[in-house]
Amino acid sequence: DVKVTQSSRYLVKRTGEKVFLECVQDMDHENMFWYRQDPGLGLRLIYFSYDVKMKEKGDIPEGYSVSREKKERFSLILESASTNQTSMYLCASFAEPSYGYTFGSGTRLTVV
Amino acid sequence: AQSVTQLGSHVSVSEGALVLLRCNYSSSVPPYLFWYVQYPNQGLQLLLKYTSAATLVKGINGFEAEFKKSETSFHLTKPSAHMSDAAEYFCAVRSSASKIIFGSGTRLSIRP
Repeated sequence: DVKVTQSSRYLVKRTGEKVFLECVQDMDHENMFWYRQDPGLGLRLIYFSYDVKMKEKGDIPEGYSVSREKKERFSLILESASTNQTSMYLCASFAEPSYGYTFGSGTRLTVV
Repeated sequence: AQSVTQLGSHVSVSEGALVLLRCNYSSSVPPYLFWYVQYPNQGLQLLLKYTSAATLVKGINGFEAEFKKSETSFHLTKPSAHMSDAAEYFCAVRSSASKIIFGSGTRLSIRP
């Protein structure tokens, strides 16, 4: 079965820390995505990547960066964590859009 | 531009009653449409998808959705609600070759 794995389910970080959220997929998919999910706002796209070393900004990229050095791994980086980045972060991947995305289980990040 | 609107952020039904979750879409191309379900503290799971084949689409857990082009709708239904159906449901539409746009979600509660 297709699998997207996010390295942490829960994280607590301090304001100003550099935070890495890791996502690994085992499906050889070209396309990978990072979303954040907040109550009442649904899913908002932060960054996505079409291929290794390629990245595109989504709707809310400010305060974030990404890294895709290998096809299976897509990392989200919070350069200097702030309390307004407390959220659920979801990683997803797909190879063919008609089949939708496969999501990871999410990382609930709290910045204190 | 493609978009989806989910009518009702919260729907409550009695166990055994009909579930109806509403979704309207906007798309300038023949749409791919999806319904996802999210259980508490988990990622999103694909319930069903419409990819221009049959207009009545059957998914997992007894859910189905009907694509109505004239109404630009893709409502999700289930004849008889179970307690285990309590979750958040997201309607989504493909916005480009590789991006999917999500609605803001509908939380479904089931009354005993």
